[in-house]
Amino acid sequence: QSALTQPPSASGSPGQSVTISCTGTSSDVGGYNYVSWYQQHPGKAPKLMIYEVTKRPSGVPDRFSGSKSGNTASLTVSGLQAEDEADYYCNSYAGSDNWVFGGGTKLTVL
Amino acid sequence: QLQLQESGSGQVKPSQTLSLTCAVSGGSISSGGYSWSWIRQPPGKGLEWIGHIYQSGSTYYNPSLKSRATISVDRSKNQVSLNLTSVTAADTAVYYCAREVDYALFFDYWGQGTLVTVSS
Repeated sequence: QSALTQPPSASGSPGQSVTISCTGTSSDVGGYNYVSWYQQHPGKAPKLMIYEVTKRPSGVPDRFSGSKSGNTASLTVSGLQAEDEADYYCNSYAGSDNWVFGGGTKLTVL
Repeated sequence: QLQLQESGSGQVKPSQTLSLTCAVSGGSISSGGYSWSWIRQPPGKGLEWIGHIYQSGSTYYNPSLKSRATISVDRSKNQVSLNLTSVTAADTAVYYCAREVDYALFFDYWGQGTLVTVSS
């Protein structure tokens, strides 16, 4: 299985919105509504931000939202804040008890 | 609050076996509705799912590991373990254990990770 495709970097100024894409295939992102997103600060473990494409765990600000169209999922961060600067990884179920991650996107708050 | 703590060999020689343990506290590894996964991250790179174990004991692995990985549980110790055989430098990574929610297929709790270096 191949990793999902994410842009290596994304950036935005405080208060702006930024969207990170995650492109897979009909065998993973396009085939299941089991896409999740994780935030990782340097030296820390990943933290769940979005699951089942659009759902937010309790405690995650509503500035974070997820969506999906065809084989591409997206994470949008609205009202960017300095603490949002981190690496973001998408993950999708790929069938037959396999999971695949994206390569990660480094989000910079300018 | 559920906590996961990885431990094990920090340095392994090429061709040997990597062995890690994930101690779970604040909850039982036998709680229904959850599976346990291992995920790794080479230095400066992205995440890679290694495999997981269901409550039934069934295990599934990333095909790319070519049968080198084995995941097991010790319910008496509330621990999950990973063995990875025939390691090479490419297996150098931070290894995480994570709890997986069965009904929605996401990882809700992660350990802090442990770095394993493969070097002679």
